[in-house]
Amino acid sequence: DAKTTQPNSMESNEEEPVHLPCNHSTISGTDYIHWYRQLPSQGPEYVIHGLTSNVNNRMASLAIAEDRKSSTLILHRATLRDAAVYYCILRALSGGTGGFKTIFGAGTRLFVKA
Amino acid sequence: EPEVTQTPSHQVTQMGQEVILRCVPISNHLYFYWYRQILGQKVEFLVSFYNNEISEKSEIFDDQFSVERPDGSNFTLKIRSTKLEDSAMYFCASSEGRINYGYTFGSGTRLTVV
Repeated sequence: DAKTTQPNSMESNEEEPVHLPCNHSTISGTDYIHWYRQLPSQGPEYVIHGLTSNVNNRMASLAIAEDRKSSTLILHRATLRDAAVYYCILRALSGGTGGFKTIFGAGTRLFVKA
Repeated sequence: EPEVTQTPSHQVTQMGQEVILRCVPISNHLYFYWYRQILGQKVEFLVSFYNNEISEKSEIFDDQFSVERPDGSNFTLKIRSTKLEDSAMYFCASSEGRINYGYTFGSGTRLTVV
């Protein structure tokens, strides 16, 4: 899978929007962009994914650059509960029947201040 | 909302003993995964399973590890002869499909090898 680059950490104030950036300059045309998060002492949690168009769901929005070399996860109104590690991951078919995996990097640790 | 269930939540075992970690994936999901996370480190991919066989595995998943879907609902990870370095959180995940679907993770089993 192609590589992504995220800041190690970010800080936000409660009730303000948060924009978490991700660079993926080597993305290929068929790579999906997935975001997960991991709250303290919990398993990873799927947040959102997209291919080319911006996506919205109840948790967040995903803004994808026109050239697809970067994307931004947007939390519209951060709460203390959103403090977590956020992972930006590219997913591609890796060959073989049913063969695929999701590889987690170091992610961005988001701190939310009250 | 459907959940992935893992049991036990915490297991302590002696070095050299066999352990079986159990997972009940979401019922209509077809793809199953095991991940582990050593304290303070990244989430690491172990194995993916589809159509009753392993589809991909990492180099961590050596001969000491095996997976099984014995009865169409449970998905198990067996470690034959545990080592101290196997101490970690083990997460099971499932997904409905391939790269256009997110994973649902369980809350994990904390394995402590003493």
